[in-house]
Amino acid sequence: GAVVSQHPSRVICKSGTSVKIECRSLDFQATTMFWYRQFPKQSLMLMATSNEGSKATYEQGVEKDKFLINHASLTLSTLTVTSAHPEDSSFYICSARDRRQGTVTGELFFGEGSRLTVL
Amino acid sequence: QKEVEQNSGPLSVPEGAIASLNCTYSDRGSQSFFWYRQYSGKSPELIMSIYSNGDKEDGRFTAQLNKASQYVSLLIRDSQPSDSATYLCAVTNAGKSTFGDGTTLTVKP
Repeated sequence: GAVVSQHPSRVICKSGTSVKIECRSLDFQATTMFWYRQFPKQSLMLMATSNEGSKATYEQGVEKDKFLINHASLTLSTLTVTSAHPEDSSFYICSARDRRQGTVTGELFFGEGSRLTVL
Repeated sequence: QKEVEQNSGPLSVPEGAIASLNCTYSDRGSQSFFWYRQYSGKSPELIMSIYSNGDKEDGRFTAQLNKASQYVSLLIRDSQPSDSATYLCAVTNAGKSTFGDGTTLTVKP
């Protein structure tokens, strides 16, 4: 199956600092990538849809100025948590769909996830 | 009503038994359906995909889809302790996937 690499897997930062998480599709091109947040024992919550070369589409209730998403190429999307606070501590996961499969039926390939702890 | 509903569980079955996981969805325009397995602290991994009504088998896993009833299920035969995880049902329409809250399965040796 296709591989999506996410980095870093764990990050601890101080309150008020910014953290960048990278999501790369290693063996396929992804026109669209998705960013999720997951709190313990809860399901995935879609934060935003990242489209290559255009602005991300954010879900209702997600602050676009706090969670900056950049999708500069067909294989890389980044999520920057700006001015992080303890309540931002969570498991952040990206996923991507192989553009060759199309947007209608293609399965999602997930990155390994990044666990953010804000002190 | 949630767009994708799953029994939260926990579902507990003995080793070797059949585990049955169920999912209902509300969007009749949904086009593709997936089951993902998520181990604690890890990201989801694809188990099965199904696109048309009926059954689809892959090893010990069988996915069943009934679009008229808006229902999709996953059967795990000969359950193993390593199958213990949370199983997420995902429903996709026009490229957007919606996930259920997941069913936690425990397979007891």
